[in-house]
Amino acid sequence: KAGVTQTPRYLIKTRGQQVTLSCSPISGHRSVSWYQQTPGQGLQFLFEYFSETQRNKGNFPGRFSGRQFSNSRSEMNVSTLELGDSALYLCASSNPRTSGGSGETQYFGPGTRLLVL
Amino acid sequence: KQEVTQIPAALSVPEGENLVLNCSFTDSAIYNLQWFRQDPGKGLTSLLLIQSSQREQTSGRLNASLDKSSGRSTLYIAASQPGDSATYLCAVIRGSNYKLTFGKGTLLTVNP
Repeated sequence: KAGVTQTPRYLIKTRGQQVTLSCSPISGHRSVSWYQQTPGQGLQFLFEYFSETQRNKGNFPGRFSGRQFSNSRSEMNVSTLELGDSALYLCASSNPRTSGGSGETQYFGPGTRLLVL
Repeated sequence: KQEVTQIPAALSVPEGENLVLNCSFTDSAIYNLQWFRQDPGKGLTSLLLIQSSQREQTSGRLNASLDKSSGRSTLYIAASQPGDSATYLCAVIRGSNYKLTFGKGTLLTVNP
């Protein structure tokens, strides 16, 4: 079974631009979460989607947004990029037994490394 | 607010040694705890998941324990190998919230 895939793997942008990152979960997984990883802050939760609905959101500004499609693929968008947005962006997928469950293993993709100049 | 701490931040051991990585969390009302490894510049690989009702999980040379009441988990690695060199992260989920709260990780180096 194919793992979580993320595209693109690397991205260079300049301040003020916007960027869209894509995540394809493991086949059959309906929950997709996004995380930002930086050397200073470590891994921080951005948001989580289940069946096209955002269920949880972390403490990030509104410049960070996301969505999930009917095939469970997810995208996240960052508008008006800042230097501090340079990070590794990871997505994870899981398959809860019920729509409210969260006990299942989360599987991560290889990440998208974003550099903002 | 849930906080996860991992000690030590870095560890260097000779090949073949048994070792223990520690993880502590401030809010014991967790749903489960998951251990991951991360190789440089790569994503996270899930190692073990322990449900809140469980005390330990084992996979090969890895054994993870969970003591919810004291807010602690340990990852035991037996007979370490150079290929075990990586950053090990623990993360907890509280309730039905899918948000994983991560520790900063332990950077493990196993020397041949």
